[in-house]
Amino acid sequence: GQNIDQPTEMTATEGAIVQINCTYQTSGFNGLFWYQQHAGEAPTFLSYNVLDGLEEKGRFSSFLSRSKGYSYLLLKELQMKDSASYLCAVMDSNYQLIWGAGTKLIIKP
Amino acid sequence: GAVVSQHPSRVICKSGTSVKIECRSLDFQATTMFWYRQFPKQSLMLMATSNEGSKATYEQGVEKDKFLINHASLTLSTLTVTSAHPEDSSFYICSTYSEPEAFFGQGTRLTVV
Repeated sequence: GQNIDQPTEMTATEGAIVQINCTYQTSGFNGLFWYQQHAGEAPTFLSYNVLDGLEEKGRFSSFLSRSKGYSYLLLKELQMKDSASYLCAVMDSNYQLIWGAGTKLIIKP
Repeated sequence: GAVVSQHPSRVICKSGTSVKIECRSLDFQATTMFWYRQFPKQSLMLMATSNEGSKATYEQGVEKDKFLINHASLTLSTLTVTSAHPEDSSFYICSTYSEPEAFFGQGTRLTVV
């Protein structure tokens, strides 16, 4: 079956760095997405990786290793507004998005 | 980027009534629209995939007669929850894909009392 695993919850300190991991097993691969979702709101797009390596976008970076079925989202200089759920999703061979359950990130002052 | 507009954002209805949720793509033609349901503290669960001009494809366990999907044009897809019950209370989100991103509507918080 298809499976996306990410930690349920993480806690970090304002100003610090946090890495949220995601491992996946899917039927085919057409890219991996990271989305941010605040409570009660729709997800917003953060990053897309289809090739191995690191993609950097401001304070957020996303890494992909297709051979390991592994990705991480790195958040630097954490701000209180970064408190949210972070969703990992993989697009399979049918171009359907398979979603992880999300990682709730709690930022403490 | 693509914009998807979803309405209403919140709705409270009585048990047994029907509720229609609309999703409009504002600046591009969405041939495919995905409808998700999200329960508290859970991930997005795909309910159905609608394609313009054809019948929607429903995921296993989703009642097609209860969740009516219409995708009559390239800019509008609707989800109607018929004979709603309290267990249908959830967050419903529509989404479409325009490479390389998936774009989401704002979501609809449905509460059935």
